[in-house]
Amino acid sequence: DAGVIQSPRHEVTEMGQEVTLRCKPISGHDYLFWYRQTMMRGLELLIYFNNNVPIDDSGMPEDRFSAKMPNASFSTLKIQPSEPRDSAVYFCASSSPRGRVSQETQYFGPGTRLLVL
Amino acid sequence: EDQVTQSPEALRLQEGESSSLNCSYTVSGLRGLFWYRQDPGKGPEFLFTLYSAGEEKEKERLKATLTKKESFLHITAPKPEDSATYLCAVQNAGNNRKLIWGLGTSLAVNP
Repeated sequence: DAGVIQSPRHEVTEMGQEVTLRCKPISGHDYLFWYRQTMMRGLELLIYFNNNVPIDDSGMPEDRFSAKMPNASFSTLKIQPSEPRDSAVYFCASSSPRGRVSQETQYFGPGTRLLVL
Repeated sequence: EDQVTQSPEALRLQEGESSSLNCSYTVSGLRGLFWYRQDPGKGPEFLFTLYSAGEEKEKERLKATLTKKESFLHITAPKPEDSATYLCAVQNAGNNRKLIWGLGTSLAVNP
C-alpha cells in the first residue's frame, strides 16, 4: 500500500487567498484525521471523519476552516481566507479500528507545509 | 482535562549512552498510550501502543513501559539513526477516537 498521500507537499500563498489541502487515506481505513503541527502547540487535532461523516470538529479553529470527505478515498481541508497565523504543517492520518482497541493506530501522511505571507 | 507532558524537551546522547524519555499523562480512563517517532520533514511513525499499567513492549533498542501516571521510552545503546523527535499520545476510554499529544522529546545521538 502507498500509505496516506497528501498534496501539495509545500504551499506558499498570500494572506487572503484560499488554500486547499488534499488527502487520500490508506485503502480500507474508515477513520480519517486532520492535524495541524506547530512548534508552540505541537500536534492538534482539527477534525476527524468516520465512514466519510464528520464526527468531531471541535478542533477547527474558526469558520475560515472547513473539511469535507466526499468519498472513502479523498478528503480536503480548506482555509478561506488564509492568514499568516495559519502557517504550519498539516497532517492527514487514517486508521481502521473496526471496534478493536488493538487497531487504533493512526498512520500519518508526509504532511503539507503551509506558509501564508 | 486530558493532558500529556513529555520530558525532557531535548536530549543529546553519545552513541551507546542509554537513557529514558518520560511521558506523564492525566486522562479520564486510559484506552491506550501511543509512542511515535518523527523525523524532520516527515509525518509521525507509529512505534508502540500500551493499554494497561505494567505492560511493556520492545522493538530493537527501544522499550516502552507504562504505569498509571506515566510511560517511559527506554533507549538502550542508541545509535545516530535513533535521532528523531519522540511523541507520546493518549486516548481516553470514551468512544471518541481523539488522541491527546505531548510536545515531544527531540533526541540527538552523536557518533
